[in-house]
This record gives sequence, structure tokens and C-alpha cells, in this order.
Amino acid sequence: EIVLTQSPGTLSLSPGERATLSCRASQSVNSDFLVWYQQKPGQAPRLLIYGASTRATGIPDRFSGSGSGTDFTLTISRLEPEDFAVYYCQQYGTSPPYTFGQGTKLEIK
Amino acid sequence: QVQLVESGGDLVKPGGSLRLSCAASGFTFSDHYMTWIRQAPGKGLEWISHISRTGSDTDYTDSVKGRFTVSRDNAKNSLYLQMNSLRAEDTAVYFCTRGGRSTSRYWVYWGQGTLVTVST
Repeated sequence: EIVLTQSPGTLSLSPGERATLSCRASQSVNSDFLVWYQQKPGQAPRLLIYGASTRATGIPDRFSGSGSGTDFTLTISRLEPEDFAVYYCQQYGTSPPYTFGQGTKLEIK
Repeated sequence: QVQLVESGGDLVKPGGSLRLSCAASGFTFSDHYMTWIRQAPGKGLEWISHISRTGSDTDYTDSVKGRFTVSRDNAKNSLYLQMNSLRAEDTAVYFCTRGGRSTSRYWVYWGQGTLVTVST
């Protein structure tokens, strides 16, 4: 089972700043099969990025994903007030169980 | 539009049973794998089970194998999760999810979740 470790646990930034979130895998993720979700309190997660770098339908271009192998990054170029939430990475490059990182909380500074 | 509506969550004692349901609409249900994902209070996300389009293939995370059973009724556009021998660590919000057009391994559509609390 691939273990995903996200860092930092909490990121405190101001609107307009750039956010960089990290997801590190315990072994290489096949074909960069990694996604990112955003979750706000009391809501279901929302798919942001799949295939490590492809934005899902309707996701603003300030969100971008990069990386390969064991190191992946989600970047939010200019934070909007609605971007403050918890972000999870998830790998789907192996047989089940598909695993998630523990999450990064992006909070307003 | 795609809608997934879970129901059946409740407070149950350890060792008890519960059946969750998910009513699907807005798409051809029988064309898609369906997946259950859970989230313990204040914790992260955990994939727990999926079921193939016809129901012939199922898979589970180790912690629920032998206790949980996923099933579906394509005529009723419904997904189910039978949960037996419940433990305190099964306390979570349970989400019914569906993948995109060409994948079942990550999830575009999510229900609102249903809360299962296992406690005396």
C-alpha cells in the first residue's frame, strides 16, 4: 500500500499570496496517477486535479498540479478567499486500496 | 445533473449492524463502478469499497473485509453498504461516490454523506 504524506499540515497565508502544497509518496506512483481534492467544512470533497497535472472541469486556472514519481505539488497562484480549505492528495496507480494523504489545512493568516 | 443521496446513517451500539443506501440519478447508473469512502470526525478520507457495473466484482479495504458488504440494484439506481459487527472506529461520515466517464479510481461526484456513530 502506498503511503502519501502531505506537508505542511497547516499553511497560513493571506489572500493574493501563492500557496504550495506537497504530497510525497512512499513509492513511485504509476503513470502519475495522482489527484488533488479540496474540502470545505461540512461539504464533500471536490476534485481539482487528476493525472497529477490536469485540471478537472470548472477548476480555475490559478490551481495547478505538478510532479512525478514520488513528489507532487499543488500550487494556487493567487489565493482567493474561497480557497481556504483542506486539500487532500490521493493515488490511484495501484490496485485498491486507493490511498489518501492526511490533508493540508490552508488557513487565512 | 448527477445526484447521489445517501441515507441510513444512525447511532448504533458496538457489534450492531446498519445498512446504508445511496440513491443515484442524472446518469446511467449501470454504466459506472460505484465507491464508498468514509471520513472519521476531524480526520482524513479513507477508501473502503467499490463495486463493478454489474455487481459481479467487489473489493474492500482490509479493516472492513468480512464485516461490510457492498451491493447494488441497477433497476433501482441504488447502491448499498451492509455494515455488520460495527466498531467504534467505524464512526464516520460515509460518502457514496462515482468516478468520471472513464475512471473508477478517483471520484468526481460525491453525495453529501451520511453519519454513522458507533457508541454505547
